[in-house]
Amino acid sequence: DVKVTQSSRYLVKRTGEKVFLECVQDMDHENMFWYRQDPGLGLRLIYFSYDVKMKEKGDIPEGYSVSREKKERFSLILESASTNQTSMYLCASKIAGATAYEQYFGPGTRLTVT
Amino acid sequence: SQQGEEDPQALSIQEGENATMNCSYKTSINNLQWYRQNSGRGLVHLILIRSNEREKHSGRLRVTLDTSKKSSSLLITASRAADTASYFCATDANMYSGGGADGLTFGKGTHLIIQP
Repeated sequence: DVKVTQSSRYLVKRTGEKVFLECVQDMDHENMFWYRQDPGLGLRLIYFSYDVKMKEKGDIPEGYSVSREKKERFSLILESASTNQTSMYLCASKIAGATAYEQYFGPGTRLTVT
Repeated sequence: SQQGEEDPQALSIQEGENATMNCSYKTSINNLQWYRQNSGRGLVHLILIRSNEREKHSGRLRVTLDTSKKSSSLLITASRAADTASYFCATDANMYSGGGADGLTFGKGTHLIIQP
């Protein structure tokens, strides 16, 4: 079974802190994604990566950066956390090549910024 | 902007009844996927239907796709309490194509409650 794990289920940070959210997948998937999920807004794509050291902006990249130094790990970085970044963050991975493959999701990290 | 929009936003039915959720989208697609999310958890893939398919079945799930109307429906037959979850449709979004990593655009979801 594909497994996508996220470093924390719940996280509480203060405004202005630098926050790292880690995601690891064990199926050698080339593509990895970060989404945030907010009530009434659904899932919105923040960043994605199609290979090591490669990244592309999604719908809402402002205030975020990402790092993919190893194939299995994709990190989301909040450079200076703000209260409007309080949200559920979901990581996903998939096989490269086409959209006709499912995305596998991690359990999510619920981040609260106070 | 959202590509897929589910309807209804919320649905409550009795156990054993059938549940139908609809999804509408705006631009042409290669395929459409449905995902389920249990409360506070990650999403789980249910089924994928390609643009040249009209109907697909998987266990108690039946998905239809009408590309002329840009809409899809998900039918869950003989519902069970464990089907209580949020259901999302997702379409491939051309604007996210980068190096072969084609992203998905998700709708806002239908929250389904199965009453015992």
